[in-house]
Amino acid sequence: QVQLQQWGAGLLKPSETLSLTCAVYVGSFSGYYWSWIRQPPGKGLEWIGEINHSGSTNYNPSLKSRVTISVDTSKNQFSLKLSSVTAADTAVYYCARVNYDSSGYVSWWFDPWGQGTLVTVSS
Amino acid sequence: SSELTQDPAVSVALGQTVRITCQGDSLRSHSASWYQQKPGQAPVLVIYGKNNRPSGIPDRFSGSSSGNTASLTITGAQAEDEADYYCNSRDSSGNSNYVFGTGTKVTVL
Repeated sequence: QVQLQQWGAGLLKPSETLSLTCAVYVGSFSGYYWSWIRQPPGKGLEWIGEINHSGSTNYNPSLKSRVTISVDTSKNQFSLKLSSVTAADTAVYYCARVNYDSSGYVSWWFDPWGQGTLVTVSS
Repeated sequence: SSELTQDPAVSVALGQTVRITCQGDSLRSHSASWYQQKPGQAPVLVIYGKNNRPSGIPDRFSGSSSGNTASLTITGAQAEDEADYYCNSRDSSGNSNYVFGTGTKVTVL
C-alpha cells in the first residue's frame, strides 16, 4: 500500500523560502501526478500544485509566482518550495497522490495523503 | 478560478441520515471527490468518481451529483462520522487546477 512521508522546516521567518519534501514508499511513482495541498489553522484546504515523474507541473494561479515543485525520480520524492513567505503562508502542508480514471466517468481524486507538516511563519 | 460552496455546518441525530451538498459551476463538467477530516488528522478520501468508496470506507457513505451540485450522504450516521467534510473538483476555468469546497462541519447528536 502506497505511503507518503513528508518532512521539512517547521518555523520560518518572513521573506524566507519554505521547503518540504515528500517521499513515496511502495507502489508506482511514475504514471501519477503528485500534489501539494495546504490548510491554514482553522481554515479549509487549498491546492498548491502538482508534478508528474517527467517534471510536468501545474500550479494554483494565486501562488504560481512563488511556487516551485520539483521531482527526484531516483528517490521517488517530490518537493515544494514557496518563496517570500509571510504569516499568511502559515499552514499545515500535505502531499498527496493524484489519481485519475477515464474509464467511462472521468474523475480525479487525492489518495493517499501524507501526514502533514505544520509550517509557521513568524518573526 | 472556480469556487465550491458548502454549508458551514450540519447536525444529525445518531443513526439518522444527513446529506452534505457542494455547489459550483465546475461540477457541471467535472466529478467531485469527498474527504473526511478529523481534528489534527490528514484528510481521508471517502467518495470518488460516480459513487465509489475506497477500501475501508463504510457503505453508509454514498455520493451523487446533479447539475452544479454534488452530494455526500451518510445513511445511519455514527458518532465516529463527526468530522469536517470537503468536496473537491477539477477547476473549470480552462486550466489544469483543482478546487476544494469550503468545508462542512458535521455534528452527530
